[in-house]
Amino acid sequence: EPEVTQTPSHQVTQMGQEVILRCVPISNHLYFYWYRQILGQKVEFLVSFYNNEISEKSEIFDDQFSVERPDGSNFTLKIRSTKLEDSAMYFCASSEGQGAGEQYFGPGTRLTVT
Amino acid sequence: QKEVEQDPGPLSVPEGAIVSLNCTYSNSAFQYFMWYRQYSRKGPELLMYTYSSGNKEDGRFTAQVDKSSKYISLFIRDSQPSDSATYLCAMSAPGSYIPTFGRGTSLIVHP
Repeated sequence: EPEVTQTPSHQVTQMGQEVILRCVPISNHLYFYWYRQILGQKVEFLVSFYNNEISEKSEIFDDQFSVERPDGSNFTLKIRSTKLEDSAMYFCASSEGQGAGEQYFGPGTRLTVT
Repeated sequence: QKEVEQDPGPLSVPEGAIVSLNCTYSNSAFQYFMWYRQYSRKGPELLMYTYSSGNKEDGRFTAQVDKSSKYISLFIRDSQPSDSATYLCAMSAPGSYIPTFGRGTSLIVHP
């Protein structure tokens, strides 16, 4: 069964450093998303991406964040200058259509900022 | 008032029990309701997806929506230790494809 994959599974970085989180969505999916989950808290939407551009973003997704689809398979989230409060699980999701119940989530990348 | 409320638990039950997991919400525009299962340090996995009010059954799982009370439930029959996970409710309004999640309820099914 096709699945969303994410690398790395765990990333440790120092405050102020740039990180890139990588995702490979399901191959025939057209819509891509990033969510985050701070330990013990809700899953929160960050950004959605369609047709090579951002279609929606939340208040969390400020100028420190960017997304890119550098080739036909990868979808990346970059955090330019990490803060302690960026420590969280980051989930990539993808969907074939634009439905809330159609999104398939990856296993996540645990980001730890020290 | 928070948009989606869910008791974090943990809820501990013996194997074979019927489990009831619930969420309340405040936004009457929500029409699409989802339940996700999340194992420790894994991504959410969609279990059930319902539209508007009523029941939907899939194997041992039944999702129930009561829009008049702004209350949704997930029932698990004949619970198994492998059902031990965190269950997240999520919902969205028409025209929005971004779900609003609850905090999740931790379920432990002990043999």
